[in-house]
Amino acid sequence: RKEVEQDPGPFNVPEGATVAFNCTYSNSASQSFFWYRQDCRKEPKLLMSVYSSGNEDGRFTAQLNRASQYISLLIRDSKLSDSATYLCVVTNAGNNRKLIWGLGTSLAVNP
Amino acid sequence: DADVTQTPRNRITKTGKRIMLECSQTKGHDRMYWYRQDPGLGLRLIYYSFDVKDINKGEISDGYSVSRQAQAKFSLSLESAIPNQTALYFCATSDLTGTRSTDTQYFGPGTRLTVL
Repeated sequence: RKEVEQDPGPFNVPEGATVAFNCTYSNSASQSFFWYRQDCRKEPKLLMSVYSSGNEDGRFTAQLNRASQYISLLIRDSKLSDSATYLCVVTNAGNNRKLIWGLGTSLAVNP
Repeated sequence: DADVTQTPRNRITKTGKRIMLECSQTKGHDRMYWYRQDPGLGLRLIYYSFDVKDINKGEISDGYSVSRQAQAKFSLSLESAIPNQTALYFCATSDLTGTRSTDTQYFGPGTRLTVL
């Protein structure tokens, strides 16, 4: 089993739709959780951290479920500019706190 | 100016050639990383460095070497390039402060390397 798993998609949604992605992780001792966004042929950029209590940033909401070992990302009122690959990232336990990257979920928002 | 820069941005080379990819950062971060990204395989860590005197192998270090010349510079070398090293290479940095923000990584724009 991969340490971090995501549905690769692609998710094709119309503008204005709400879309949700899930990501599961295998190490129950994982400490930090993030969503990164990567546009085609560009570098990944941090979208948001994921906190235990859940957190929201504008149209984006992230949730963490430690018991079931998954994190989620909800995008409301999708924009064309949201089209990208969304990478789930988990920090392993231990002193080096290495990031474990999912393969990403591809989102295409259509006019 | 970009906080994390990589040179070159694109490189085509031949099998057996020695290649160096360079990374510089103005963020003042202690930690630097080299990744490669391949379709279907995602981001894979090659090497990482927590400070100038600290170099660590990542999950796919074979065929690569690194040098941390200064806090701001971290270079990746392919001693004898082979075609399966064709990939998109990213440098990244993160901060060493003991807070949650240390896990956030900031990436350079990438180097697209093709080995013929």
